Amino acid sequence: GNSVTQMEGPVTLSEEAFLTINCTYTATGYPSLFWYVQYPGEGLQLLLKATKADDKGSNKGFEATYRKETTSFHLEKGSVQVSDSAVYFCALPSGGSYIPTFGRGTSLIVHP
Amino acid sequence: NAGVTQTPKFQVLKTGQSMTLQCAQDMNHEYMSWYRQDPGMGLRLIHYSVGAGITDQGEVPNGYNVSRSTTEDFPLRLLSAAPSQTSVYFCASSYSETGVTEQYFGPGTRLTVT
Repeated sequence: GNSVTQMEGPVTLSEEAFLTINCTYTATGYPSLFWYVQYPGEGLQLLLKATKADDKGSNKGFEATYRKETTSFHLEKGSVQVSDSAVYFCALPSGGSYIPTFGRGTSLIVHP
Repeated sequence: NAGVTQTPKFQVLKTGQSMTLQCAQDMNHEYMSWYRQDPGMGLRLIHYSVGAGITDQGEVPNGYNVSRSTTEDFPLRLLSAAPSQTSVYFCASSYSETGVTEQYFGPGTRLTVT
């Protein structure tokens, strides 16, 4: 089935630093790709998505580009804020159904 | 529109007890699923449903039962709780639109088994 691999955390940055969280995938065909974010004490919520190769998803200053050549969907933000501290999950449909499979999550800690 | 709701928020059980975690959604979504979240393990799928009356096993189904008698509700039953089931449980729902699916998550139930 489809799977994703995320970089391990935690990632610790100072406010206004540049962020990259790596995600690579293994999949049959070209499924949609997603990034979800989980703030402390909450459930996951969709951050952004890309539905086909070369698409760029963006939301709240975060961006990710669906790159089929490198099977990657890295999450980036040019200037992080303390409020971005959360756990970020890369995801894609599992292959056998529309239920997604998630990476292990990457914790981001942003210091003032 | 409440989205996905879960009850209870917190629960402590003794080994061997049974209980049901409740999940409901008011978005008329076809798909519903249960995940558990453990430190360092990410989210692991327990069971899922693609419509009323249809359920299937995920990655870690042992020790859990589900049923889907209505579109709105998808309860998760722990048959005989074990300490290994201490975790945070999330329910999610989604729809299918040309194969693109976005999951909507509930706030979670934090379960401790002693």
